[in-house]
Amino acid sequence: GENVEQHPSTLSVQEGDSAVIKCTYSDSASNYFPWYKQELGKGPQLIIDIRSNVGEKKDQRIAVTLNKTAKHFSLHITETQPEDSAVYFCAAKETSNTGKLIFGQGTTLQVKP
Amino acid sequence: ETGVTQTPRHLVMGMTNKKSLKCEQHLGHNAMYWYKQSAKKPLELMFVYNFKEQTENNSVPSRFSPECPNSSHLFLHLHTLQPEDSALYLCASSQVPGTDTQYFGPGTRLTVL
Repeated sequence: GENVEQHPSTLSVQEGDSAVIKCTYSDSASNYFPWYKQELGKGPQLIIDIRSNVGEKKDQRIAVTLNKTAKHFSLHITETQPEDSAVYFCAAKETSNTGKLIFGQGTTLQVKP
Repeated sequence: ETGVTQTPRHLVMGMTNKKSLKCEQHLGHNAMYWYKQSAKKPLELMFVYNFKEQTENNSVPSRFSPECPNSSHLFLHLHTLQPEDSALYLCASSQVPGTDTQYFGPGTRLTVL
């Protein structure tokens, strides 16, 4: 089955700097890769996703890139703000009948004012 | 708000107690999920329901018993739990299983004494 590795586990940046979180996956047939943000006391919220037929997707300060050959995808946050501080999870959709999501271990992002 | 609500938000129970967690989605979705989120671990899928039928049990111990009376409601019945079952239990829903976007509730923080 699918296996997802996420790095780094913690990331600290200064406000205004960029942050990059990377994930690798094992199943070359996986075709959907969402990113979730989880704030303290809340459930994970989808912030951006990408499908295997594109290499990059952008939404304001957030972008995701996908390298299918290398089987890795990354989340890029530019001009970070203190409210970006949260735990971020990547996931890959299994290519089984249920198509369940396999999540990475999570990255705790701290943006220092 | 994602349209997925969970009650209670916090629960403390002894190992001999019986309790239930409730999830309700207001999105018109047909698939519902239970996840377990423990510290330092990826989200673990527990159960999947599709149109009220259980389609996946991810080797979950029988002390966790799910119930899905209709497509909008999902319960997790708990009995004779162990301290290691203490975790955040998250409910999610999607249009149908295997479709891409899952929407999460805020979770129930469970502590087993």
